[in-house]
Amino acid sequence: AQSVTQLDSHVSVSEGTPVLLRCNYSSSYSPSLFWYVQHPNKGLQLLLKYTSAATLVKGINGFEAEFKKSETSFHLTKPSAHMSDAAEYFCVVSGRKPRSGTYKYIFGTGTRLKVLA
Amino acid sequence: DAGVTQSPTHLIKTRGQQVTLRCSPKSGHDTVSWYQQALGQGPQFIFQYYEEEERQRGNFPDRFSGHQFPNYSSELNVNALLLGDSALYLCASSFRGAVFDTQYFGPGTRLTVL
Repeated sequence: AQSVTQLDSHVSVSEGTPVLLRCNYSSSYSPSLFWYVQHPNKGLQLLLKYTSAATLVKGINGFEAEFKKSETSFHLTKPSAHMSDAAEYFCVVSGRKPRSGTYKYIFGTGTRLKVLA
Repeated sequence: DAGVTQSPTHLIKTRGQQVTLRCSPKSGHDTVSWYQQALGQGPQFIFQYYEEEERQRGNFPDRFSGHQFPNYSSELNVNALLLGDSALYLCASSFRGAVFDTQYFGPGTRLTVL
């Protein structure tokens, strides 16, 4: 079974300060982990993905995330927030079933990031 | 290179009606997954198609059905619409032969059921 928990439903930061969005996961299979961003009335854009190559993953727009197996976490960070970062962020876990090779995305409930001027 | 496209953008239906949503995957992709995103919620997996067959299904009733065509495009059909079916419907495409499971999402179709 797979699940993902986003620990904060809302996060507010001031422009220019660091961003931390927290995500914990559970997976019976070797997981792939993703962060997606969704701006209002838009689809989902891939920010970054962990696929076992490196524990520190760099994504677009200055975001990065660190995979910590011992803590089953995949937190998203950015050193300095920009007004354009205000959006909904989703943590996703995926893992292929060993026999069928099928997989599906399990989404967290989302974290709404607000950036204050 | 076009990304994932969906049509229509918006749709308004009444209870009991039927609706068909369409999705064209990103070039080179052969797998299409559909998700329902209710207001204020994360997307929920509906089903996944490849090789023109439904391969996986989430916890959705049989009123939700789909189809994949030989060109890999896909349709989502919902019968006997309920008010609770109002949501953003997202299509995602991927390549089954890829080593890692990265899905690319379309802009979605906003369905309103009155």
